[in-house]
Amino acid sequence: AQKITQTQPGMFVQEKEAVTLDCTYDTSDPSYGLFWYKQPSSGEMIFLIYQGSYDQQNATEGRYSLNFQKARKSANLVISASQLGDSAMYFCAMREREAGGFKTIFGAGTRLFVKA
Amino acid sequence: GAVVSQHPSWVICKSGTSVKIECRSLDFQATTMFWYRQFPKQSLMLMATSNEGSKATYEQGVEKDKFLINHASLTLSTLTVTSAHPEDSSFYICSARSGRTLNEQFFGPGTRLTVL
Repeated sequence: AQKITQTQPGMFVQEKEAVTLDCTYDTSDPSYGLFWYKQPSSGEMIFLIYQGSYDQQNATEGRYSLNFQKARKSANLVISASQLGDSAMYFCAMREREAGGFKTIFGAGTRLFVKA
Repeated sequence: GAVVSQHPSWVICKSGTSVKIECRSLDFQATTMFWYRQFPKQSLMLMATSNEGSKATYEQGVEKDKFLINHASLTLSTLTVTSAHPEDSSFYICSARSGRTLNEQFFGPGTRLTVL
């Protein structure tokens, strides 16, 4: 079963508008972490934002915010005031515990296109 | 932020040869390093987790005898693809985490391996 689901293979947004990238997850671990990463065409993974399962408030980092709906198991990324440089692949990831430590698994990704 | 480097950034090799990829944390001590592979237009798949000084933990389906991981120091982990075949051609990405930044993994720029 999919642990991390990103249902939007591709998204378009007009420059300066906000966009929401969807992510749902599935875990039985009560202590988990949720991440969003950006991967430009150059290939490097860029950390954007983190949300812990026990965090009461939604995480925010500049233009990025994470809409954490724990009961629905969703962790959507909201990018405000989109910029042309935001065009990239975006991956949602979840860290959960397993024997001996923890591991992070990634969703399939959403490619965001920002239009001028 | 913390910097992780990978060497080489790209490599082309003949089928049957072995290739070693290095992952270094440049300005922090990485107690844990992760190795991922990413096929074109696909997500990252975790291959293994290595903790400094101990054997790597491989994900299900990853051949430990084919993908040798060594994490001999707090700043260096190596992935050796032994007897490489064309189906091993992929983008290999490492990430590192220090004991003080459990919420954040810092990713290397990736190594593109092409096996002819």
